[in-house]
Amino acid sequence: QSALTQPASVSGSPGQSITISCTGTRSDVGGFNYVSWYQKHPGKAPKLMIYDVSNRPSGVSNRFSGSKSGNTASLTISGLQAEDEGDYYCSSYTSSSPLYVFGTGTKVTVL
Amino acid sequence: QVQLQESGPGLVKPSQTLSLTCTVSGVSISSGGYYWSWIRHHPGKGLEWVGYIYYTGTTYYNPSLKSRVTISVDTSKNEFSLNVRSVTAADTALYYCARRKGYADFDYWGQGTLVTVPS
Repeated sequence: QSALTQPASVSGSPGQSITISCTGTRSDVGGFNYVSWYQKHPGKAPKLMIYDVSNRPSGVSNRFSGSKSGNTASLTISGLQAEDEGDYYCSSYTSSSPLYVFGTGTKVTVL
Repeated sequence: QVQLQESGPGLVKPSQTLSLTCTVSGVSISSGGYYWSWIRHHPGKGLEWVGYIYYTGTTYYNPSLKSRVTISVDTSKNEFSLNVRSVTAADTALYYCARRKGYADFDYWGQGTLVTVPS
């Protein structure tokens, strides 16, 4: 099972909006509404930011939003803040092995 | 507050068994409703789901690792464990334990523990 494809890096200035893409196949992203997004800061545990494509867990800022079109899911961060810097990973349920597949990861830089 | 903490040796010799434990606090594993997972992150590569266990002992493993992996649970200690047999350098990774909440989302993770298998 191949990893989901994400851009290696995305950057933006404070206050701007950025979007991270996550491209898979009909067997994963395109076939199910089970896409999640995780934020990872060095030395810290990954944090769930979005689940089931567009749902935000309690406590996650509404500046984070998720969507999906076809085989590509997207995470949008609005009003970019310095604290948003870090690595972001998407994940999806897949009907093929191995049940869950993750993205290649995107490094977000706030300029 | 739910917290997960991985523990175990940071260095394992080739062909030996990698053993890690995840201690859970803030929620009882035996309360049900969640699947307790292991996920690993290879240096410079992506994340890989290893497998999960339910409090009843039901397990599901990544087929690519199934022949070498065992996940077990000890509800009396509120912890679950991972064993990977016959390790090679390819098993070098940052190992995370995590709780699967819904169908495919992991809502709580440990900080991860680095396990190195020298080549």
